[in-house]
Amino acid sequence: QVQLVQSGAEVKKPGASVKVSCKASGYMFTAYDINWVRQAAGQGLEWLGWMSPNSGNTGYAQKFQGRITMTRDTSISTAYMELYSLRSEDTAVYYCARNLAHTGDFDHWGQGALVTVSS
Amino acid sequence: QAVVTQPSSLSASPGASASLTCTLRSGVNVGAYNIYWFRQNPGSPPQYLLRFKSDSDKQQGSGVPSRFSGSKDFPANAGILFISGLQSEDEADYHCMIWHSAHWVFGGGTRLTVL
Repeated sequence: QVQLVQSGAEVKKPGASVKVSCKASGYMFTAYDINWVRQAAGQGLEWLGWMSPNSGNTGYAQKFQGRITMTRDTSISTAYMELYSLRSEDTAVYYCARNLAHTGDFDHWGQGALVTVSS
Repeated sequence: QAVVTQPSSLSASPGASASLTCTLRSGVNVGAYNIYWFRQNPGSPPQYLLRFKSDSDKQQGSGVPSRFSGSKDFPANAGILFISGLQSEDEADYHCMIWHSAHWVFGGGTRLTVL
């Protein structure tokens, strides 16, 4: 069955960076895009960007331009999201989700990774 | 003004129906957009429910019951998630999403209470 398994919780200090992984299984990794979405406690969902595991092409939300990088390692079917210059407002659960290119059918999601930014 | 807005909460009775709205900002014409809907239980990731653009262009998520359906309210410039035969397990947060200006944009979510 399709699964997206994310790395564990992280605690970071302001100004640091965090790298979250998302390991795919049960389908052809390069056939679907990977999107990253975050959710602060008690808040709604916020889209960070997308990546094509096939081409490596990315698209980032304007809010995060210059502060985020999405990469992948196709040999281990794993996508990565790295966020830099962390601030307290970045404290959230970060999800990966797959979709067919150019659709919003985010049909499978990772379990989420809590990133806490605190001094 | 946010591109997509949802009421923060809605209550309905078991067995009744509920219409959850996803209102697009003035100037963002709902007729041109696919509206995606997700359900999220506390402590869990969102689950894809369906996509609706028109009666002839829509997609139900795998395993999603037919009592979940989409529509549009053109005068209100809104997408609608209609849930019939409400069950206690439908109590959750519901999020809508559109693709706008090269971004996926979510509404703030609606907490549906079934009581």
